[in-house]
Amino acid sequence: KAGVTQTPRYLIKTRGQQVTLSCSPISGHRSVSWYQQTPGQGLQFLFEYFSETQRNKGNFPGRFSGRQFSNSRSEMNVSTLELGDSALYLCASSLEGKLTDTQYFGPGTRLTVL
Amino acid sequence: KQEVTQIPAALSVPEGENLVLNCSFTDSAIYNLQWFRQDPGKGLTSLLLIQSSQREQTSGRLNASLDKSSGRSTLYIAASQPGDSATYLCAVETSGSRLTFGEGTQLTVNP
Repeated sequence: KAGVTQTPRYLIKTRGQQVTLSCSPISGHRSVSWYQQTPGQGLQFLFEYFSETQRNKGNFPGRFSGRQFSNSRSEMNVSTLELGDSALYLCASSLEGKLTDTQYFGPGTRLTVL
Repeated sequence: KQEVTQIPAALSVPEGENLVLNCSFTDSAIYNLQWFRQDPGKGLTSLLLIQSSQREQTSGRLNASLDKSSGRSTLYIAASQPGDSATYLCAVETSGSRLTFGEGTQLTVNP
């Protein structure tokens, strides 16, 4: 079974632009979560989607948004990019999004904001 | 607010040594605790998941324990190998915030 895939793997943007990242979960998984990883803040939870609905949200500004499609694929959007948004963005999928489910992570998208 | 701390931040050992990585968390109301491995520039690989009702889990040379009441977990790696070199992350799952991660322990196993 294929793992979690994320596209693109690398991205370079300039301040003020917006960006959309994509995540395809493991087949049959219905929950997708997004995390941001930076050297200073470590790994932080952004949001979780289940059945096309945002179920949980971390402490990030409204510039960070996401959505999930009927096939469970998810996209994350960051508007008005800032230098501090440079990070590795990871998505993770789980079967039902239950708190006892294992989350499986993708390889990440490395975003650099210049 | 849940906080997760990992000690040590970095560890260098000779091949073949047994080692222990430590993780502590401030709020014992967790659903589970996971240990992950991250290679440089890569995503996370789940190593072990311990449910809140469990005390330990084992996979091959890895053994993870959980003491929820004291807010501690350890990851024991037996007979370490150079291929074990990576950053090891501990994460706890609490309602509403999914996984809260520690800063990680960077492990180097020298041949």
